[in-house]
Amino acid sequence: SYVLTQPPSVSVAPGQTASITCGGSNIGSKSVHWYQQKPGQAPVLVIYYDTERPPGIPERFSGSNSGNTATLSINRVEAGDEADYYCQVWDRSDHQVFGGGTKLAVL
Amino acid sequence: QVHLVESGGGVVQPGRSLRLSCAASGSTFSRDGMHWVRQAPGKGLEWVAVIWYDGSNKYYADSVKGRFTISRDNSKNTLYLQMNSLTAEDTAVYYCARDTSITGDGTDALDIWGQGTRVTVSS
Repeated sequence: SYVLTQPPSVSVAPGQTASITCGGSNIGSKSVHWYQQKPGQAPVLVIYYDTERPPGIPERFSGSNSGNTATLSINRVEAGDEADYYCQVWDRSDHQVFGGGTKLAVL
Repeated sequence: QVHLVESGGGVVQPGRSLRLSCAASGSTFSRDGMHWVRQAPGKGLEWVAVIWYDGSNKYYADSVKGRFTISRDNSKNTLYLQMNSLTAEDTAVYYCARDTSITGDGTDALDIWGQGTRVTVSS
């Protein structure tokens, strides 16, 4: 089965850049999607196809994907960015696969 | 704009069954692949099942295969999840979500999510 590995937590000061990684075997050959989930709310798609932003998502959110690691970057982090973030890919054997999630703490 | 509303959650005893529904508003439901995703208390997201736009293909996570059945009624813009032989491990918030794949085969990102319906399996 295909496994996506995320760090459990990332901490960043306001105004700095947060980088959240998602590791998987040759993940660079797959399309990676990222979701933001705030407490008590449904997930929200923030990046799709590695680098694309849905309408309404700030330009501060960006993504990259190469080799065995995909990365979600959040520039000029704000208190409102504090949330859980999940990566996701489609795999031929497992269909949709989610990473374990990363809790972003804004210090 | 597509809007999804889940219903049917509740408290159920182990071994019993429950059927969840997801009502979709908007005109694209019959062209969209649809998923169920769940989240156990304090845990991450777990994909459960997908159904193609026309119901021709359905796929399940190993954890629910043989117990859960995903279906849809495009005439009613409604997605279903029939859950049988429930166990405590099925306790979770269940979300329905729309897939962005233009071919309706459920292989892309999930761009629209419902608010979720809570299922608790307990005696």
